[in-house]
Amino acid sequence: KAGVTQTPRYLIKTRGQQVTLSCSPISGHRSVSWYQQTPGQGLQFLFEYFSETQRNKGNFPGRFSGRQFSNSRSEMNVSTLELGDSALYLCASSPVGNPEETQYFGPGTRLLVL
Amino acid sequence: AQSVTQLGSHVSVSEGALVLLRCNYSSSVPPYLFWYVQYPNQGLQLLLKYTSAATLVKGINGFEAEFKKSETSFHLTKPSAHMSDAAEYFCAVSVPGGYNKLIFGAGTRLAVHP
Repeated sequence: KAGVTQTPRYLIKTRGQQVTLSCSPISGHRSVSWYQQTPGQGLQFLFEYFSETQRNKGNFPGRFSGRQFSNSRSEMNVSTLELGDSALYLCASSPVGNPEETQYFGPGTRLLVL
Repeated sequence: AQSVTQLGSHVSVSEGALVLLRCNYSSSVPPYLFWYVQYPNQGLQLLLKYTSAATLVKGINGFEAEFKKSETSFHLTKPSAHMSDAAEYFCAVSVPGGYNKLIFGAGTRLAVHP
């Protein structure tokens, strides 16, 4: 099976712009989670989607949003970018999103905000 | 609330020496515990996980971890370090009812020198 894929791998934006990141889960996986990784804050949970519904959300401002499509692919959007949004954004998938399941991570999208 | 503490942000060992990476957790309910490894410019890869079966868990690449409830610990060990083990290691916790939201420790960067 192909692993989790994320596009694009690298992105440079300027403050105030918006960005959309894409994630394709492992075939058959219906749960997709997003995490932000920064040197200062480490790995932080953004949100989780299952069957096109957001089931869980981390402590991030409303500028961070996401969605999931019927084929389980997911996108996350960040509006009005700030310098502090520079980070590695990781997507992970699992079969149904139970807490004991292994989450399989993609390679990430590295976002740089100038 | 759940939390994870990884003692030592940097650990350095000689090739062939014992690897010990420490992880302590805080959880009001029995947790599920995970160790992930991250190589430069890559996503996270699962090393092993504890899901309330055997307390001694064996993972990939010769790593193992022991769940000790009395000490709220889940330390990662490997008898003999290899140069290829140099990476960043993350301990994470999820809990029943929390879907699959992972709460990560700050990470430990392992250096292996000849």
